[in-house]
Amino acid sequence: EDQVTQSPEALRLQEGESSSLNCSYTVSGLRGLFWYRQDPGKGPEFLFTLYSAGEEKEKERLKATLTKKESFLHITAPKPEDSATYLCAVHMYSGGGADGLTFGKGTHLIIQP
Amino acid sequence: KAGVTQTPRYLIKTRGQQVTLSCSPISGHRSVSWYQQTPGQGLQFLFEYFSETQRNKGNFPGRFSGRQFSNSRSEMNVSTLELGDSALYLCASSSGDRGVEQYFGPGTRLTVT
Repeated sequence: EDQVTQSPEALRLQEGESSSLNCSYTVSGLRGLFWYRQDPGKGPEFLFTLYSAGEEKEKERLKATLTKKESFLHITAPKPEDSATYLCAVHMYSGGGADGLTFGKGTHLIIQP
Repeated sequence: KAGVTQTPRYLIKTRGQQVTLSCSPISGHRSVSWYQQTPGQGLQFLFEYFSETQRNKGNFPGRFSGRQFSNSRSEMNVSTLELGDSALYLCASSSGDRGVEQYFGPGTRLTVT
């Protein structure tokens, strides 16, 4: 069964303390892997799209990377405003199944000042 | 460009009633997808509409239905509401090309009592 697993479920960091979030996936054919940020009570905000192993994308303090089995979201010198839930989603080639995004459960990130 | 808009933002319904939610996609986007988000199950794909046709469907009962109009606006209907239908319902729009990012609206918070 196609699956997306994110770890850790929750992460508490001090301001400036860099870390990485993990998203591992088992899908038969990957069209794209997406990272979103979600603040409480709001819809997910798009961050990155990755399509092939070895690809990297950067935006401010965030950097996303992709291998054949997992993706990492690296957060460098985070600030309190980076606190949010980070969601990973995959879009796979459909084989008769649903063709929407399959989401992981997310990593709840808290950055303490 | 204006983002994805959803109405209403909050809704309280009684078990057994039906409800209709509305979504206006980003201008120029032809695909609208609907997702249900709950604390236990996370984000789950309901269905996708593209050019007024349902292109994909997730694993939800037939009580969940939708439609898309010629201006790409979409509505989602849930009939015979159950307590378990309480959730944040999110709409996402995209160009409709396979594997491109989707942009989410703020969601409609549905509470069933």
